Amino acid sequence: DIQMTQSPSSLSASVGDRVTITCRASQGISNYLAWFQQKPGKAPKSLIYAASILQSGVPSKFTGSGSGADFTLTISSLQPEDSATYYCQQYSFYPRTFGQGTKVEIK
Amino acid sequence: QVQLQESGPGLVKPSETLSLTCTVSGGSVSSGRYYWSWIRQPPGKGLEWIGYIYYSGSTNYNPSLKSRVTVSVDTSKNQFSLKLTSVTAADAAVYYCARDDGETIDPWGQGTLVTVSS
Repeated sequence: DIQMTQSPSSLSASVGDRVTITCRASQGISNYLAWFQQKPGKAPKSLIYAASILQSGVPSKFTGSGSGADFTLTISSLQPEDSATYYCQQYSFYPRTFGQGTKVEIK
Repeated sequence: QVQLQESGPGLVKPSETLSLTCTVSGGSVSSGRYYWSWIRQPPGKGLEWIGYIYYSGSTNYNPSLKSRVTVSVDTSKNQFSLKLTSVTAADAAVYYCARDDGETIDPWGQGTLVTVSS
């Protein structure tokens, strides 16, 4: 299985900060990488697919980049509603696998 | 817009079979190019992909669960289902059904918590 490793596991940042989450695949996955946001007690929500394409309706403050094995999700100006856990997921190989999650908190 | 809703028992005894159904509204499970998927999340932990059934009827399962999992579809009811046999405490989780178009998983059902206990 492809292992997806996210860093950091958690972070705390202030409103307005720029936040970056990293996701590394155990082998190259081209750009077959998606990002999800999950708030407590809710289902994950699709943010980005194909590493950098924003899902319809997702604000442009979310940016994805990367290819091969290294990817990033950036939130340009952190707001209270962005407090959540973020997951990356590869869909280049089966089984689909997710990162362990990055919990983003507001200071 | 497409919506998905899981249903099924919230409590399953060890060694028994977990059975869940996902009802799709606003779209058809028979429509092309979609993978009707199951994903689970143990309490406080991350996401695990279980598998899917393609609109054509073909399936793909996580090898870690393959010997115990069956995903099927009932086009007459616009539903797809998950069966997981011989459950243990390790199978306790929130189970989500979702639509996968090959690039992203969207939408997701709200999830249903399954507890494994005698």
